Amino acid sequence: GAGVSQTPSNKVTEKGKYVELRCDPISGHTALYWYRQSLGQGPEFLIYFQGTGAADDSGLPNDRFFAVRPEGSVSTLKIQRTERGDSAVYLCASSFGRGSTDTQYFGPGTRLTVL
Amino acid sequence: DAKTTQPPSMDCAEGRAANLPCNHSTISGNEYVYWYRQIHSQGPQYIIHGLKNNETNEMASLIITEDRKSSTLILPHATLRDTAVYYCIVRKYNNNDMRFGAGTRLTVKP
Repeated sequence: GAGVSQTPSNKVTEKGKYVELRCDPISGHTALYWYRQSLGQGPEFLIYFQGTGAADDSGLPNDRFFAVRPEGSVSTLKIQRTERGDSAVYLCASSFGRGSTDTQYFGPGTRLTVL
Repeated sequence: DAKTTQPPSMDCAEGRAANLPCNHSTISGNEYVYWYRQIHSQGPQYIIHGLKNNETNEMASLIITEDRKSSTLILPHATLRDTAVYYCIVRKYNNNDMRFGAGTRLTVKP
């Protein structure tokens, strides 16, 4: 079946602009995660959704970052007033959301470049 | 979650077994060991996970020491396509986020 998809694959924007990054999870997966990966580092957790609600947003770096999942499927990560330090690959993952060994499956990521 | 320590890089000859070590000396009883890999410009790919018993699937084997303070991921016959960064992650029973470290960059050479 289809895996996690993310759009766009690349996004270039200017400092101060607003961006939206989209994630389509695997069908049937109720849990959805956003991560951020800077060059040369491992992914860093941002936020976790169970269904429509954000169950854990402790990884969001500041209030310029916000994510929604209104119908419990597609999610959008929104970044306001972008800064050059926001440049990174933003990864989305999904899982069935059941049990302690629930495996997360990742999408290819969106590479965000803030000029 | 327990911190993990991995060597920054390793080489392996094509066709030979690749053994990737991971130390997690502060692991607790309800924490699982997960392995993911990330091929250049792709998202992380799940490989295998375990609690205390050794595990094997079509991709790899996971050997966990009896005291659970370390583990080894084994790719039995490495190919050039196995060149990637391999992440060892210790994940608590009820935690939803995966805490990635810097991983081990494995280079499989012909």
